[in-house]
Amino acid sequence: QVQLVESGGGVVQPGGSLRLSCAASGFTFSSYGMHWVRQAPGKGLEWVAFIRYDGSNKYYADSVKGRFTISRDNSKNTLYLQMNSLRAEDTAVYYCVRGVTVLDYWGQGTLVTVSS
Amino acid sequence: QSALTQPASVSGSPGQSITISCTGTSSDVGGYNYVSWYQQHPGKAPKLMIYDVSKRPSGVSNRFSGSKSGNTASLTISGLQAEDEADYYCSSYTSSSTFAVFGGGTKLTVL
Repeated sequence: QVQLVESGGGVVQPGGSLRLSCAASGFTFSSYGMHWVRQAPGKGLEWVAFIRYDGSNKYYADSVKGRFTISRDNSKNTLYLQMNSLRAEDTAVYYCVRGVTVLDYWGQGTLVTVSS
Repeated sequence: QSALTQPASVSGSPGQSITISCTGTSSDVGGYNYVSWYQQHPGKAPKLMIYDVSKRPSGVSNRFSGSKSGNTASLTISGLQAEDEADYYCSSYTSSSTFAVFGGGTKLTVL
């Protein structure tokens, strides 16, 4: 069965950095595009970033462009999100999601808290 | 990018039908048949309910259906059940410089 397990969340000070990981199993990871989607406490879903199956193209929400970098290692079946220059408004649960135009499998999420 | 527009809340009694709208632009909802709907219960990850406007993934009840007219997509839930009470989000591919966009979410209350 498809499994997506996020890790790397935690508490970080404003201006700091954090790298999230998502370990994928149960499917051929190298054949699928992948997204990061976040949800601030008590708020709605916000799309963050997308990477194509082979890493050839990457797309970002305007709110994170220039600060976040999505990447993948198909040999390790792992998706990453490098987050720099973090702000209080980046506080959220970050979900790793499989798919391109259809986000069909979601991880359980990892909480990132940006606070001094 | 601007979020897709959804009503903040809808409600209905058990057995009734409700419809949730999702309004975008010709760059997203109106331009492509890549609208999806997600159900999220409190403390849980979202679950895909409808994709490509009107297709249902295996295992999703046929009480859930989707449609689109112009720049507005809709999710209809018929025969409302208590377990349908949740937050619902629409999303669409977008031809803008980003890639995808979500609606603000709709809280469904089953009275």
